[in-house]
Amino acid sequence: KQEVTQIPAALSVPEGENLVLNCSFTDSAIYNLQWFRQDPGKGLTSLLLIQSSQREQTSGRLNASLDKSSGRSTLYIAASQPGDSATYLCAVRRGIYNQGGKLIFGQGTELSVKP
Amino acid sequence: DAMVIQNPRYQVTQFGKPVTLSCSQTLNHNVMYWYQQKSSQAPKLLFHYYDKDFNNEADTPDNFQSRRPNTSFCFLDIRSPGLGDAAMYLCATSRVSLNEKLFFGSGTQLSVL
Repeated sequence: KQEVTQIPAALSVPEGENLVLNCSFTDSAIYNLQWFRQDPGKGLTSLLLIQSSQREQTSGRLNASLDKSSGRSTLYIAASQPGDSATYLCAVRRGIYNQGGKLIFGQGTELSVKP
Repeated sequence: DAMVIQNPRYQVTQFGKPVTLSCSQTLNHNVMYWYQQKSSQAPKLLFHYYDKDFNNEADTPDNFQSRRPNTSFCFLDIRSPGLGDAAMYLCATSRVSLNEKLFFGSGTQLSVL
């Protein structure tokens, strides 16, 4: 059974710092991994999706890496800003929809960036 | 422009009083999902539709039902809400494809009094 863990559960940093959020999964047989952002009381916004054959994806100040063999992904945020404050969730998919492709979520890391 | 729209944003119901949450999408995606998310927890998949084919998760209570009358709309019906059903309900869509990125709505926060 696939389990996804995100540590730490909460993180507070001063503005301008570079930071790394961690995601680990127990079954390396994944199809893709997706990082989401969730603001308080809101839905999830997709940030980055990494296919199992890829090592990393970049979007602006965000860089996500994937190491399937070790069951780990990281989300790197450069030059953090107070507007980055949110909960960040990672989710892994085992296959495409008709091949057992349910998303399994971690519980998230709550990030607070202090001005 | 919002692509996955959930209404209402906040819903208050009474214990045992049926309630319906709605979701619509403009993406023409063939898969629609309903997730339940309780405070500080990971979203939990309740069920999903692939076109008209309904797929229920094994541990979803019978109290939860869903309807998808057409590609654009999907409804979550809670027949007899209990206090433990208070949560954020998230609708998501995806297109069956090589990457299958999920797109979420803003959610409906359900309170049960």
